[in-house]
Amino acid sequence: AQSVAQPEDQVNVAEGNPLTVKCTYSVSGNPYLFWYVQYPNRGLQFLLKYITGDNLVKGSYGFEAEFNKSQTSFHLKKPSALVSDSALYFCAVRDRFRAAGNKLTFGGGTRVLVKP
Amino acid sequence: KAGVTQTPRYLIKTRGQQVTLSCSPISGHRSVSWYQQTPGQGLQFLFEYFSETQRNKGNFPGRFSGRQFSNSRSEMNVSTLELGDSALYLCASNPGQGEAFFGQGTRLTVV
Repeated sequence: AQSVAQPEDQVNVAEGNPLTVKCTYSVSGNPYLFWYVQYPNRGLQFLLKYITGDNLVKGSYGFEAEFNKSQTSFHLKKPSALVSDSALYFCAVRDRFRAAGNKLTFGGGTRVLVKP
Repeated sequence: KAGVTQTPRYLIKTRGQQVTLSCSPISGHRSVSWYQQTPGQGLQFLFEYFSETQRNKGNFPGRFSGRQFSNSRSEMNVSTLELGDSALYLCASNPGQGEAFFGQGTRLTVV
């Protein structure tokens, strides 16, 4: 069974400082990995994905994530956080096997608070 | 390109009633997935429909059901509502490869 862990319920960071949101996963084989962000009373917005290729993935709004197969991690990073980055962040995995379809397994979410 | 449309945005229902939620995916997407989001359980997969057939199902009771029409629009139905069914229900439009695109959700409150 697939599982995703986001060990921090909340991350506090000062504006302009680096932001890191941690994600580790457990899945058989090589999964597809995603990060989504959610603002209050809204759906999920896609940030970035790892499918194959370079382990460092660049996404929307200056975010990037590094896929580490040996540590089964996919941490989200941003070099300089903005107050507007304050939101709920979700890491998700999807099995590569065709039978799994498009089912996403999500982590519990990490609330990011960026203080001015 | 229009996004994923979920209707209604908000619903208030009474215990024991049933409810139907609707999702129109992005044009050309044949797969739709549904998720339940609650503060306690987080985001949980309900089911996926592809070309009018249920392809995957999560671990939810039979009160939760869905269907997909020939135009790829999908509905989910919850019968005999319970207080614990109060949640944000999210629909995802899947292009086949790559990321899912989510609607803004339907906030269901059961009183």
